[in-house]
Amino acid sequence: QKEVEQNSGPLSVPEGAIASLNCTYSDRGSQSFFWYRQYSGKSPELIMFIYSNGDKEDGRFTAQLNKASQYVSLLIRDSQPSDSATYLCAVNRGSQGNLIFGKGTKLSVKP
Amino acid sequence: NAGVTQTPKFQVLKTGQSMTLQCAQDMNHNSMYWYRQDPGMGLRLIYYSASEGTTDKGEVPNGYNVSRLNKREFSLRLESAAPSQTSVYFCASSETGLNSPLHFGNGTRLTVT
Repeated sequence: QKEVEQNSGPLSVPEGAIASLNCTYSDRGSQSFFWYRQYSGKSPELIMFIYSNGDKEDGRFTAQLNKASQYVSLLIRDSQPSDSATYLCAVNRGSQGNLIFGKGTKLSVKP
Repeated sequence: NAGVTQTPKFQVLKTGQSMTLQCAQDMNHNSMYWYRQDPGMGLRLIYYSASEGTTDKGEVPNGYNVSRLNKREFSLRLESAAPSQTSVYFCASSETGLNSPLHFGNGTRLTVT
């Protein structure tokens, strides 16, 4: 089983809809969970992070964490064409804080 | 605010040539990392440095060496480049600790022919 798994997509949603991106992880000891956005040809940029079970909201973005199910998700409300990118889920491993990345989900928001 | 700066942005090498990728951060972060990103493989950790003076192997260290020159700088060296090392390389830095996000540089696109 891969350490961090994401559906590669592409996930296509219409403008204004809610995009739901999912991620599962295998290490039950993981404590920190991060979502990055990566535009084509660019470097990953942090969207948000979550440490505790439940929801965390930041503007149009909501991260959801369920440690019992080893599942973390990212919801994007009122999706815009500018949200079209690859979204990377990352989970910490080890005491050094190294992040293990999923392969990413490509999101396409259609006008 | 420069953040994490990588040089060069692009590089083409012939098999067997050597080169060093440079990385510097101005955020006073303790930890620095080198990742490579390949299509279909995602980001994979090559080496990391938890603090000045220490370096450790990541998931794919073979064929690479690193040097943590000081707190700001972390370089990645390819001693004898191979076509399998064709990739996009990202340097990143972070504060120490489990809850610290990574801040990435703009990447180096390396092609080995």
